[in-house]
Order: sequence, then C-alpha cells, then structure tokens
Amino acid sequence: GQQVMQIPQYQHVQEGEDFTTYCNSSTTLSNIQWYKQRPGGHPVFLIQLVKSGEVKKQKRLTFQFGEAKKNSSLHITATQTTDVGTYFCAGPSGAGNNRKLIWGLGTSLAVNP
Amino acid sequence: DGGITQSPKYLFRKEGQNVTLSCEQNLNHDAMYWYRQDPGQGLRLIYYSQIVNDFQKGDIAEGYSVSREKKESFPLTVTSAQKNPTAFYLCASSSSGTGGLMGQPQHFGDGTRLSIL
Repeated sequence: GQQVMQIPQYQHVQEGEDFTTYCNSSTTLSNIQWYKQRPGGHPVFLIQLVKSGEVKKQKRLTFQFGEAKKNSSLHITATQTTDVGTYFCAGPSGAGNNRKLIWGLGTSLAVNP
Repeated sequence: DGGITQSPKYLFRKEGQNVTLSCEQNLNHDAMYWYRQDPGQGLRLIYYSQIVNDFQKGDIAEGYSVSREKKESFPLTVTSAQKNPTAFYLCASSSSGTGGLMGQPQHFGDGTRLSIL
C-alpha cells in the first residue's frame, strides 16, 4: 500500500539554527498537509499544498511540494524554543469510500535555548 | 467557538471492562475519525465516518467499535477484546472539499489518555 516516509525521525538543534524535515510518498499525492504536535498536545493543521512545485511561507516556516507531487519539505529558519514539537506530513490515498489520509511517522524537533 | 471536544481527558480501564470515549464537534463537518497514538509513534487510524449512520474500519479496528447516530458525535468504545489499550486517543473531523471528503485538513480534539488499572 501507499507509504509516506519522513526523515529525520529526530532533530536536535541550537536555538537560531535552521531545521528541515522531508516527506516522501511512494505514489503521487493530490495534496500534502503538514501538522505540528506540541509535547502533550494534539496535532494542529499548519498548511496544505496542492500544486506541483508549490512553495508557501508562514513567517519562518517554508513549505515546498515537489514537481512530481511525491515529496515535500518543511524548513524552519532560525529556530526558536516555541518550534519544539513533532511535525507530521500527511497525504490522501485511495478513492471513494476507501479514501483516507496517510500519515508520516513525524519528525521530532528539540531546540536548545 | 467551533471545535472538537473529547472527554474524558484521562481514563482508566479495568481488566475485562469496556470503556467509551466521547467526541463531539460543532464545526458542521461531515467526516470524523478516531486515531490511536503510542509514545513516540505516528497516528494510526482506528475508524472513520463520512456520513451519519455509516462508518468504515481503519488500519487497527480490532477491539474497538464506533457509532455515528448524529453528525456531531462519534463515540469510540474500547472493548475488552483490545488487549493493549494504553495509548493516546485522538478524534478528528474534516469538511468536504475539492480534494474529496477524506482528503481535507483535519481538526483534532485534545485527546483522551487511556491506561489500564
């Protein structure tokens, strides 16, 4: 079945350093979604990318969707302690009643102040 | 304020007991979902529902049951057949859209942490 792989699994950075997580799908995705889960919290939707090659920015966060719509990345510039958490990507799979979101396992980000 | 409410926040289950986790949404979303999250793990889909009185099994449905009698409500029962129920349970909902009902961004509740006594 379709898989969504995320790397790295963990990342530890010093505050102010940049951070990137990558998401790769075994099949073409109609869209890719990114979520953030703070420690002890629930996933919160960040953004959805739909178009091939799309790039979207949210302040220090830059999201990209690959040309082939099979991979995506999230880049955080100058990390802050508020960026701590696990970042998940997810993409739709299947059709009709079997359509559902396939989730990556997430990248956990730790930031040293 | 629209949102998803899960209760209780913490739940303890005794051996052989069924327990029911509540999930209510006032976002007027058609689709609702139940996920299980184990420590350091991703989200695994238990059940989902696209419309009232209809639901489908996800990837790990064994030992769980659901109902969808109202659009706003999607309770999850963890039965005694689920031998390893200790986990963080998350309920989510999503609206319909051009990406298809099940491909839309999901909104999550605060979760219920279930443990065995």
